Amino acid sequence: DTGVSQDPRHKITKRGQNVTFRCDPISEHNRLYWYRQTLGQGPEFLTYFQNEAQLEKSRLLSDRFSAERPKGSFSTLEIQRTEQGDSAMYLCASSLTIQALQETQYFGPGTRLLVL
Amino acid sequence: QKEVEQNSGPLSVPEGAIASLNCTYSDRGSQSFFWYRQYSGKSPELIMSIYSNGDKEDGRFTAQLNKASQYVSLLIRDSQPSDSATYLCAVNVNRDDKIIFGKGTRLHILP
Repeated sequence: DTGVSQDPRHKITKRGQNVTFRCDPISEHNRLYWYRQTLGQGPEFLTYFQNEAQLEKSRLLSDRFSAERPKGSFSTLEIQRTEQGDSAMYLCASSLTIQALQETQYFGPGTRLLVL
Repeated sequence: QKEVEQNSGPLSVPEGAIASLNCTYSDRGSQSFFWYRQYSGKSPELIMSIYSNGDKEDGRFTAQLNKASQYVSLLIRDSQPSDSATYLCAVNVNRDDKIIFGKGTRLHILP
């Protein structure tokens, strides 16, 4: 399967714990995006990478959130000291963007986080 | 704040009829427009992308873009119960930076 994969698919944690999610993009894609989605809302942009460089981080993202893409391949999203408000679906997407025109983003299956 | 607006619905359409979904956006510099379909509990999947004014057809789906009026629409012909889902409009901002999603329109096809 050559699509975007995410791990784990589900995560239940207690408030205050740290969690880390992984995303493996489509292999030739240079851009990787992280989104958060809550019920009844569209995906909310968190951050994105072009190769290994993190180009933008949402102002809505607190300092408890950090993302890395160390070798320009897979990425991890870590949430420290989780809060109940962090409960959401965390989506990863990748795209092959060469020219200025935004290319299609392909989504992984998501990681559903529940903070108790 | 760049925004993408959609009617949240639900939009109920009889099976076999045409479903029309609309989206407006605020960034006049936007160049790339996408429609995604999302089933409950699943991740978004691409239906259509459109970059130029006018219509773009793909099977039962037609995307329409009017940059002067800043709206993009999706028509679904011969609606099927399997088309029942939430449809997300996404628009790029700051040209090549990222895309912003609307909240989505829930579509319900009535058998």
